[in-house]
Amino acid sequence: DTAVSQTPKYLVTQMGNDKSIKCEQNLGHDTMYWYKQDSKKFLKIMFSYNNKELIINETVPNRFSPKSPDKAHLNLHINSLELGDSAVYFCASSQDSVRTEAFFGQGTRLTVV
Amino acid sequence: GQQVMQIPQYQHVQEGEDFTTYCNSSTTLSNIQWYKQRPGGHPVFLIQLVKSGEVKKQKRLTFQFGEAKKNSSLHITATQTTDVGTYFCAGRGGFKTIFGAGTRLFVKA
Repeated sequence: DTAVSQTPKYLVTQMGNDKSIKCEQNLGHDTMYWYKQDSKKFLKIMFSYNNKELIINETVPNRFSPKSPDKAHLNLHINSLELGDSAVYFCASSQDSVRTEAFFGQGTRLTVV
Repeated sequence: GQQVMQIPQYQHVQEGEDFTTYCNSSTTLSNIQWYKQRPGGHPVFLIQLVKSGEVKKQKRLTFQFGEAKKNSSLHITATQTTDVGTYFCAGRGGFKTIFGAGTRLFVKA
């Protein structure tokens, strides 16, 4: 059983399209995150949810909208995709927001053409 | 705002040589974590340090947290080809955890 699973693994799409990435964790964790990893491998936090409530919202374009239907799921919807959105997006979870260790999903490689 | 600097950016070593990566924060940290990301993989948690001056070991890996809780290091003794990957520190200061830029380790057999 995969602890943190995200789909799809690869996503190739044209500029201007809208796409979603789904994430689910079966660890019973309270906190979930979305990270963006660019081509230089920088890992930047985008959003964090604790028990379905948004607790971290970094400087991210409004085109990115997270949704947490329950504490086991955190999806990421991206509107009007741009070339600069191309990156690997990682979902992660941790026991709580005080930051016990984070468990990362396999990543979604998004390529915008 | 809080910044976490990590050096070096890259390190090439011959198998059997030692390797060290350093992490420095602009602010005092409540804890620091270390992660390893294999090429094409995802970050995997290695360890968390919480106490000032703390030293922890995992086989050939030694982790240190500075006395002022502003810096940390990861030292690998006698590297192996399986050590290849990017090592990230992640420091928590206040409400957020900030990742360093990572050190990419290349090991030549």
